[in-house]
Amino acid sequence: DGGITQSPKYLFRKEGQNVTLSCEQNLNHDAMYWYRQDPGQGLRLIYYSQIVNDFQKGDIAEGYSVSREKKESFPLTVTSAQKNPTAFYLCASSIEGGGYTEAFFGQGTRLTVV
Amino acid sequence: DAKTTQPNSMESNEEEPVHLPCNHSTISGTDYIHWYRQLPSQGPEYVIHGLTSNVNNRMASLAIAEDRKSSTLILHRATLRDAAVYYCILRDPGTSGSRLTFGEGTQLTVNP
Repeated sequence: DGGITQSPKYLFRKEGQNVTLSCEQNLNHDAMYWYRQDPGQGLRLIYYSQIVNDFQKGDIAEGYSVSREKKESFPLTVTSAQKNPTAFYLCASSIEGGGYTEAFFGQGTRLTVV
Repeated sequence: DAKTTQPNSMESNEEEPVHLPCNHSTISGTDYIHWYRQLPSQGPEYVIHGLTSNVNNRMASLAIAEDRKSSTLILHRATLRDAAVYYCILRDPGTSGSRLTFGEGTQLTVNP
């Protein structure tokens, strides 16, 4: 089955620890995205990548880092510099370069920092 | 990025049509209008998109105003499974298309 997979579904971490969220896609998409969603809010863009070994900051990149070493993988690290890391994190991918192309989303990772 | 404006919430009855509006007065000539919906605790899913002409698919219809400054997502017969947050976004095929920016969306409640 083609699709986009996020793991784990739930993640708990102690305050001050870095944590890495996984996002893998087998759709052969060039573009990948990371979003943060807080309760009752819309999606806010953290980082996005149009091609391997390249990525750009979104609207709320502070306290986060990403890498794009392989086309199918776009992991997100939530660092200890992120003030309020508890949130629902969503990864997406799409064919690059087309305003007419749809994006596919993973099922999300719910991160709780205690 | 051009922005969209949607009502915070709407309510409908089961098996009745639902018209979800979206205003995008600053839309550019090359922006595509996309709709996604998000069920609770899930990732958003694509619903439909269009550029100028009205569009139909198995999920919904998209009616686009002649001046393209507004659009309406139409669910022909709402079911309880259609209760979700619906997002209207604009995608430019140029460089800004990669950003894929979402707003707050419309929370649709479907009453049995």
